[in-house]
Amino acid sequence: DGGITQSPKYLFRKEGQNVTLSCEQNLNHDAMYWYRQDPGQGLRLIYYSQIVNDFQKGDIAEGYSVSREKKESFPLTVTSAQKNPTAFYLCASSFVGNSNQPQHFGDGTRLSIL
Amino acid sequence: GQQVMQIPQYQHVQEGEDFTTYCNSSTTLSNIQWYKQRPGGHPVFLIQLVKSGEVKKQKRLTFQFGEAKKNSSLHITATQTTDVGTYFCAGQETSGSRLTFGEGTQLTVNP
Repeated sequence: DGGITQSPKYLFRKEGQNVTLSCEQNLNHDAMYWYRQDPGQGLRLIYYSQIVNDFQKGDIAEGYSVSREKKESFPLTVTSAQKNPTAFYLCASSFVGNSNQPQHFGDGTRLSIL
Repeated sequence: GQQVMQIPQYQHVQEGEDFTTYCNSSTTLSNIQWYKQRPGGHPVFLIQLVKSGEVKKQKRLTFQFGEAKKNSSLHITATQTTDVGTYFCAGQETSGSRLTFGEGTQLTVNP
């Protein structure tokens, strides 16, 4: 979606290195999400945030960290503790409210190990 | 925790044939959403179902939500090559809570 920008599109990580994936949205969405997608697999939730300065672990948070200092930004750091980081990472955002809101996705970042 | 299962994992059809993917949740859902991901692309929202027994149509696509709000299906009539991609269902247990995605059904259409 044009309103969510992920960068870089491709990223390579060296052994023992931390890398940070960027996600910015201009949709004025309250909530932001990070998913990991492996080949032929579904989307697994890493972290999500429904409000600035607050975030919750998803199903596979180990080896990852996030911050939410601004409403528009939700960067994901893949730490050296994540032993199998090669995957397609998708960022999404949505409104939050009593009604159920669809999620809008960025174009993704493909992370590989050197 | 909540689990959402989707079958089949893969489906190959000839153009013009029908296609159906099924989604089952381990818990009762508040709503279910469907997304389509084209090869090399990102998931795009298709539709949301909220009411028990709800049926919605989008041209050749028909979406159903089960009476018990634990299962759903997507049916495509007379597939076209433009239907190629992976179809995901995603459920919410309560309104405003996180989505849990199924593993998706990858559809290929032979012309």
